[in-house]
Amino acid sequence: LAKTTQPISMDSYEGQEVNITCSHNNIATNDYITWYQQFPSQGPRFIIQGYKTKVTNEVASLFIPADRKSSTLSLPRVSLSDTAVYYCLVAPRMDSSYKLIFGSGTRLLVRP
Amino acid sequence: DTEVTQTPKHLVMGMTNKKSLKCEQHMGHRAMYWYKQKAKKPPELMFVYSYEKLSINESVPSRFSPECPNSSLLNLHLHALQPEDSALYLCASSQKTGLAGVDEQYFGPGTRLTVT
Repeated sequence: LAKTTQPISMDSYEGQEVNITCSHNNIATNDYITWYQQFPSQGPRFIIQGYKTKVTNEVASLFIPADRKSSTLSLPRVSLSDTAVYYCLVAPRMDSSYKLIFGSGTRLLVRP
Repeated sequence: DTEVTQTPKHLVMGMTNKKSLKCEQHMGHRAMYWYKQKAKKPPELMFVYSYEKLSINESVPSRFSPECPNSSLLNLHLHALQPEDSALYLCASSQKTGLAGVDEQYFGPGTRLTVT
């Protein structure tokens, strides 16, 4: 099972770009990288998923280098409402099902 | 409708009580999940149902008993819980299962459980 390592916390200011990097040295060939966002007392919310290179949606971008041993979630121009915990997950494959294993996550605090 | 609903929002129960948590989704998803989350910790997977059959049980104590009556509903029956079982219990669902790759999971708001 791939294990992920993320910074415990990050601080930023409104309007800045935030990059959160996740290390997953043991990622398997067929594993996907997924990021979730969680606000206090709410369930996590899917942000973005990728396999290689770059993925972009209306919320964020995900950069994955060729060796796939790390990935970077990029949040453009953050606002106060982006204060949350961000989880990087690598999805292992099972024979009949799959499961997400959440790492410790990164607590992002956006200041005015 | 992309919502997963959970009831109740809050639950306080004694160690001798029997209670149930309920989860519902109407997105046609065929996989449903129970997670447990302690304060300031990541969610921990408890159970996975795939096509209404239990496919993963993460060595959860028998005082937690899941049930999937149909493809839209997921229950978690609680009996003889301990104070350390107090946590946020999250339900999630996803469209695909199996070797198709990781699919987006939709989480409910959770049930805040306190065991006294």
